[in-house]
Amino acid sequence: DSGVTQTPKHLITATGQRVTLRCSPRSGDLSVYWYQQSLDQGLQFLIQYYNGEERAKGNILERFSAQQFPDLHSELNLSSLELGDSALYFCASSAVSGTGNEQFFGPGTRLTVL
Amino acid sequence: GQNIDQPTEMTATEGAIVQINCTYQTSGFNGLFWYQQHAGEAPTFLSYNVLDGLEEKGRFSSFLSRSKGYSYLLLKELQMKDSASYLCAVSNTGGFKTIFGAGTRLFVKA
Repeated sequence: DSGVTQTPKHLITATGQRVTLRCSPRSGDLSVYWYQQSLDQGLQFLIQYYNGEERAKGNILERFSAQQFPDLHSELNLSSLELGDSALYFCASSAVSGTGNEQFFGPGTRLTVL
Repeated sequence: GQNIDQPTEMTATEGAIVQINCTYQTSGFNGLFWYQQHAGEAPTFLSYNVLDGLEEKGRFSSFLSRSKGYSYLLLKELQMKDSASYLCAVSNTGGFKTIFGAGTRLFVKA
């Protein structure tokens, strides 16, 4: 158990819908990262937050947005869902930003868009 | 931009040694990570290299050459449970962005 929690574990929805994925980092970690992993593909970096502020952006679609709240939990919002958005979405946390600190990954949310 | 290359698949025998290579190109470098990921599960941290040389941790070792943009992960005394994907990841300057390679799927056979 990495100490990072993600809810829900599974999510099935329809095209055009909007969903919110939630992540709670390890106690004391200030950085939160979001990744997308499609079937048989590598981890695609989406976005990183540090202590409530956006720090880095990857290839995140405009239909996707995220935020980190004062209690450090983070949410990833996916809207106007398409079939291609079906994937595993991982959240990870690390102690600080801007160093080589390892990231601890949550168990992921499996999103299925029908 | 950033680019990471690693072999797609490798097969090795239980008890043997296997080396998984990773080459990278990055604008700025703040370290290289190796993660292990079993199918359908979260990646777990194996090693971190920021200086040239070899880091050893039990059965796993990782090597880095910054001038060559090259790293390898060495797994000794392979066990069946080592069958997994091994992800090479590079952190850019400032460490704000970590880019993962597509992963190498390792099959360990009896």
